[in-house]
Amino acid sequence: DIQVTQSPSSLSSSVGDTVTITCRTSQKINSYLNWYQQKSGKAPKLLIYGALSLQNGVPSRFRGTGSGTEFSLTITSLEPEDFATYYCQQTYTAPRAFGQGTMVELK
Amino acid sequence: QVQLQESGPGLVRPSGTLSLTCDVSGGAVGSTNWWTWVRQPPGKALEWIGEIYHLGTTNSAPSLQGRVGMSIDKPGNQFSLTLTSLTAADTGIYYCARAKGVTRNLDSWGQGLPVIVSS
Repeated sequence: DIQVTQSPSSLSSSVGDTVTITCRTSQKINSYLNWYQQKSGKAPKLLIYGALSLQNGVPSRFRGTGSGTEFSLTITSLEPEDFATYYCQQTYTAPRAFGQGTMVELK
Repeated sequence: QVQLQESGPGLVRPSGTLSLTCDVSGGAVGSTNWWTWVRQPPGKALEWIGEIYHLGTTNSAPSLQGRVGMSIDKPGNQFSLTLTSLTAADTGIYYCARAKGVTRNLDSWGQGLPVIVSS
């Protein structure tokens, strides 16, 4: 199975800050990496797919980069609605595991 | 826009079997997508359970040790999950989702169904 390691587990930031979340996989997965945002009590929402592509309707301040085994999600100029938990998921092969999540909290 | 809705019992007994259904609207389960189950224990991360294709092909998490069954009902436009030999560790919110395209990104989700395993 491919292991997915996401870091940090949490971070504290302010509105207007830029934050970066990293996801590493135990094997190369090309660009089969997706990013999701989850708010408390809600279903996850797709942000980035194929490591780089922005899902329709997602603001351009969300950017995905990386390929192979190392990937990042960068949120530029945090807005109040961006404080949430973020997950990566590898979809290269089954089981299509998620990372452990990163909680982005208001400082 | 495709919409998904989970249904099933909210409380199940230990050692029992959980059966959940996901109703799909705005799209056909017979389309070229995979249909996925994800769960989330209280306060914990998302866990991929498994996926089913409209032709019946399935993949599931080895960690669930063969306790998982999945099926698809094209006339009813729904798909289902069965999880046997339940323990308290199976408590959580269960989501169904559509895995779209080559990247199998989960672009549409149900609202989630809370399930408690308790006597």
